[in-house]
Amino acid sequence: RKEVEQDPGPFNVPEGATVAFNCTYSNSASQSFFWYRQDCRKEPKLLMSVYSSGNEDGRFTAQLNRASQYISLLIRDSKLSDSATYLCVVIVGNTNAGKSTFGDGTTLTVKP
Amino acid sequence: DGGITQSPKYLFRKEGQNVTLSCEQNLNHDAMYWYRQDPGQGLRLIYYSQIVNDFQKGDIAEGYSVSREKKESFPLTVTSAQKNPTAFYLCASSSLAGSYNEQFFGPGTRLTVL
Repeated sequence: RKEVEQDPGPFNVPEGATVAFNCTYSNSASQSFFWYRQDCRKEPKLLMSVYSSGNEDGRFTAQLNRASQYISLLIRDSKLSDSATYLCVVIVGNTNAGKSTFGDGTTLTVKP
Repeated sequence: DGGITQSPKYLFRKEGQNVTLSCEQNLNHDAMYWYRQDPGQGLRLIYYSQIVNDFQKGDIAEGYSVSREKKESFPLTVTSAQKNPTAFYLCASSSLAGSYNEQFFGPGTRLTVL
């Protein structure tokens, strides 16, 4: 089993739709969680950190469920520009930089 | 402009040759990382460094080597011992201060072995 697993996708949704991605992790000592966005043939860019209490940034909401060991990303009112691959990242410990593990990503295509 | 630069953007290498990928950052970050990404897959950690003159192996270090002589620079050498080196190579850096040490990435180098 992979340390970090994501919904396989691809997700194809119409503009304006709400879409949610999940990411499960296996190491209960994981401390830090992030969602990154990666456009085709580009580098990943930080979308948002995931805080224990959950956090929202405009149309994006991230949640953490420690008991079930998963994080989620909800995108409301999808835009064409949201089309990308979304990577979840899990870090074990808050200063052990070497233990960051990336999921394989979920591809989202938003269609007109 | 603060950021991470990688060069070259595209690199072609003949089988059996060593090649070095450059990574420089001016963000004053302590930690630097090298990842490899294959098509349709996530990032896999090759090496990382948290301090000058020290570095650690990641999950797939075989066939690669690094150095960290300066805080700003973390070059990666892909040696002839790497069996399947064609991939997208990404360098990243992060601060080690605070609790949320998100990583910032360079634009990447696409290496093709002919």
